[in-house]
Amino acid sequence: GEDVEQSLFLSVREGDSSVINCTYTDSSSTYLYWYKQEPGAGLQLLTYIFSNMDMKQDQRLTVLLNKKDKHLSLRIADTQTGDSAIYFCAESASHGSGNTGKLIFGQGTTLQVKP
Amino acid sequence: DTGVSQDPRHKITKRGQNVTFRCDPISEHNRLYWYRQTLGQGPEFLTYFQNEAQLEKSRLLSDRFSAERPKGSFSTLEIQRTEQGDSAMYLCASSPGTSGRAPWYEQYFGPGTRLTVT
Repeated sequence: GEDVEQSLFLSVREGDSSVINCTYTDSSSTYLYWYKQEPGAGLQLLTYIFSNMDMKQDQRLTVLLNKKDKHLSLRIADTQTGDSAIYFCAESASHGSGNTGKLIFGQGTTLQVKP
Repeated sequence: DTGVSQDPRHKITKRGQNVTFRCDPISEHNRLYWYRQTLGQGPEFLTYFQNEAQLEKSRLLSDRFSAERPKGSFSTLEIQRTEQGDSAMYLCASSPGTSGRAPWYEQYFGPGTRLTVT
């Protein structure tokens, strides 16, 4: 079945790079996403990557995809205290002959940034 | 573009009562999704609409749950005879889908409705 797993917690110092890891099981997933959630708020779409790409860079964010190992990572350069939040990895689940866009989420990684 | 909005933001109800939540998607997004998020977990898919048609429902959506999107714009999620296990954050999301206006796979979330059943 479809499953997404993430480590639960990461602590870094301000200015360091953060790397959040994720593994997924559905090899037919077409899109893989990273969302950010701050306390009491909804989810903010940070970035996504197509399954036929290896890497995507967007300002301080770098996404790496290893499709063979079904491993996705999010690197945040020059991490700031405002980056403290929960980060969710998600895969777009396939359904029959089409892609419904339904997302399967991991349990989230809490990023703590220390001054 | 005002984003996805949800109402109410918080709801406290007594067990056994019915509750209804509303979601207004981003204008011209023809796909609308409902998810449920419990404390410490990622969101779990409940159901989705393309325009007014409800195309998929999760096994999580028991008979006490019903969702509608009557005119293909806003959607409502009703929970009948609430139970304490229904306490969660209910999230709505929308995506352009087949509207062709933007990448169909970009899914944007609202702020959520936090339900507490006492």
